[in-house]
Amino acid sequence: EDQVTQSPEALRLQEGESSSLNCSYTVSGLRGLFWYRQDPGKGPEFLFTLYSAGEEKEKERLKATLTKKESFLHITAPKPEDSATYLCAPLGGGADGLTFGKGTHLIIQP
Amino acid sequence: KAGVTQTPRYLIKTRGQQVTLSCSPISGHRSVSWYQQTPGQGLQFLFEYFSETQRNKGNFPGRFSGRQFSNSRSEMNVSTLELGDSALYLCASAKGWPMNTEAFFGQGTRLTVV
Repeated sequence: EDQVTQSPEALRLQEGESSSLNCSYTVSGLRGLFWYRQDPGKGPEFLFTLYSAGEEKEKERLKATLTKKESFLHITAPKPEDSATYLCAPLGGGADGLTFGKGTHLIIQP
Repeated sequence: KAGVTQTPRYLIKTRGQQVTLSCSPISGHRSVSWYQQTPGQGLQFLFEYFSETQRNKGNFPGRFSGRQFSNSRSEMNVSTLELGDSALYLCASAKGWPMNTEAFFGQGTRLTVV
């Protein structure tokens, strides 16, 4: 059974204070890993797709990286508008849809 | 380019009733999947449709069902509603199946069962 663990569950940072969010997974036949951002009461917003170990993707203050067992979402000099829940979802070799982690609730204080 | 559209946005139902939720995928996307999101369990996979056929199903009781139409629009139905069915129901569309590229989500339908 595919398993995904995200840490920390919650993170409070000061504006400009960089940090990293972790997504560790146990998935058979990984075909890709997705990162999403979700604001309260809204659907997840797609951020990145990573397909192989060593791959990196960047978007504004966010950079996602992938190893064989985990992925990191690095946030550099965050702003209050980066406050959201960040979700990761590895896509395994089976056809069982996406398995989501519980997410990291990120709060950026001005 | 229009995104994924879910209707209605909010719904209040009574225990024992049934409900139908609708999802229109992004134009050109043929795969639609459904997820249930609750504070305790997070996002959980319900089922996925491609070419009007259910391709896989998550671990939910038979009260949860769905279908997909020839224009790729999808509906999900929950019968004999229980209080525990209160959740945000999300629909996601992707280009094909098996899914190898990103899925895009709608804003969800907030279902409250009283």
